[in-house]
Amino acid sequence: AQTVTQSQPEMSVQEAETVTLSCTYDTSESDYYLFWYKQPPSRQMILVIRQEAYKQQNATENRFSVNFQKAAKSFSLKISDSQLGDAAMYFCAYRSGTSGTYKYIFGTGTRLKVLA
Amino acid sequence: NAGVTQTPKFRILKIGQSMTLQCAQDMNHNYMYWYRQDPGMGLKLIYYSVGAGITDKGEVPNGYNVSRSTTEDFPLRLELAAPSQTSVYFCASSLGAAREKLFFGSGTQLSVL
Repeated sequence: AQTVTQSQPEMSVQEAETVTLSCTYDTSESDYYLFWYKQPPSRQMILVIRQEAYKQQNATENRFSVNFQKAAKSFSLKISDSQLGDAAMYFCAYRSGTSGTYKYIFGTGTRLKVLA
Repeated sequence: NAGVTQTPKFRILKIGQSMTLQCAQDMNHNYMYWYRQDPGMGLKLIYYSVGAGITDKGEVPNGYNVSRSTTEDFPLRLELAAPSQTSVYFCASSLGAAREKLFFGSGTQLSVL
C-alpha cells in the first residue's frame, strides 16, 4: 500500500523569506500524481500545486514550486517570498494513476507559521 | 455554482446518538469521498463512491455507513456515536481521472461527549 510521510509537524519562516516543506512517499507504481493542498484557518482545502510523475519538469505556480525527485520518492514544496497569508496547514497527497484505483492518500500535514 | 456543500458545520452529539452528515455537489462529479481529520493525523479516508449505487470502504470505515442514491448526494451516517468519532469531517468530489484535484466541502466539526 502507498504511504505519504510529512516529517515536519511545524515550520516557521520569516516574511519575504523562502521555506521548503518536505514530503516523501512510498509506492511501487510508476504512474501517479502528487498534490500539495493548503488548509488555512478557515478550514477550506485549497489545491496549491500538482505534479505528474511522468513529467521530469518540476511544477511551478507563481511563488510555489516543487522539487520532485522520483527515484528518491521525494516531493518537497518551496514557497518563495513568503507572505502572512501563506500561514496554514500544508498537506501532501498521492493518487495512483492505475486504472481502477480511486483513493487520494494524504500525509499528516505541516503547519507553517509566517513571522512578520 | 456552489461546489461541494456540507451540512451541518458544527454539531455536538451525546454518546450513543446517531446522525447523518449531508454532502451534496453540483458539478456532476462521479467520484465522492468522506475523510476525517484528526490533529496530527492528516486526512483519513472513511468511505468513497465512484458513482450512484457504488460505494466502498476506505481506511477507517468502522462506525460509519454511506449511501449514494444520486450522483449529487453522498451522506455519511454515524450510528451509536462514540468519543473516538470526535473529528472534523470533510466531503470531497472529483471528476475521476487521477490527475484531477479534489474539491472539498467546508467541513463539519463534530464533538461526541
